[in-house]
Amino acid sequence: AAGVIQSPRHLIKEKRETATLKCYPIPRHDTVYWYQQGPGQDPQFLISFYEKMQSDKGSIPDRFSAQQFSDYHSELNMSSLELGDSALYFCASSARDRDSPLHFGNGTRLTVT
Amino acid sequence: DAKTTQPNSMESNEEEPVHLPCNHSTISGTDYIHWYRQLPSQGPEYVIHGLTSNVNNRMASLAIAEDRKSSTLILHRATLRDAAVYYCILKNFNKFYFGSGTKLNVKP
Repeated sequence: AAGVIQSPRHLIKEKRETATLKCYPIPRHDTVYWYQQGPGQDPQFLISFYEKMQSDKGSIPDRFSAQQFSDYHSELNMSSLELGDSALYFCASSARDRDSPLHFGNGTRLTVT
Repeated sequence: DAKTTQPNSMESNEEEPVHLPCNHSTISGTDYIHWYRQLPSQGPEYVIHGLTSNVNNRMASLAIAEDRKSSTLILHRATLRDAAVYYCILKNFNKFYFGSGTKLNVKP
């Protein structure tokens, strides 16, 4: 079965650079979530989208923005990167139903040097 | 926004059952109880979920208290591959926040 696809798997950037992470949800899933997980920490919710509209917002820095496109894929744009942005970034997708489980991608490991 | 409480860590012997508890005393009537697990450097993996009744699937069983203020994930026979961090999460439509999960260690 098709899973959530994230690209790239690894990304190395320097401070103050920008980065774009991409997420391709499972077909027919209309909701996308983004999470950030620092070393040894639990996943922190950043933002979610339903039907291309922002649905919920968590602890996403103002330097980050995201959107969901007409084909339901989503991109997380990160600017003015800081060392503390180094983390695993996970995307998940689900159907809108209250009880639908989330399906996670394998993440993008961002390293800021 | 995390509304669940789990023990930081638990230990089990291989091939023995494991009961992972979760308290969610502020659960609302429309919250579903979800369980996920995460291996190092991997994305969280769905395990099981339920609303009011106990649930079984090929991976585990979920026992939900009658007042829904707590639940227990049951792994019937732990294997070394079950060693992971287990998260209990309340889901209501698109709200899905991780708390601090339980790190399960399985001893051979």
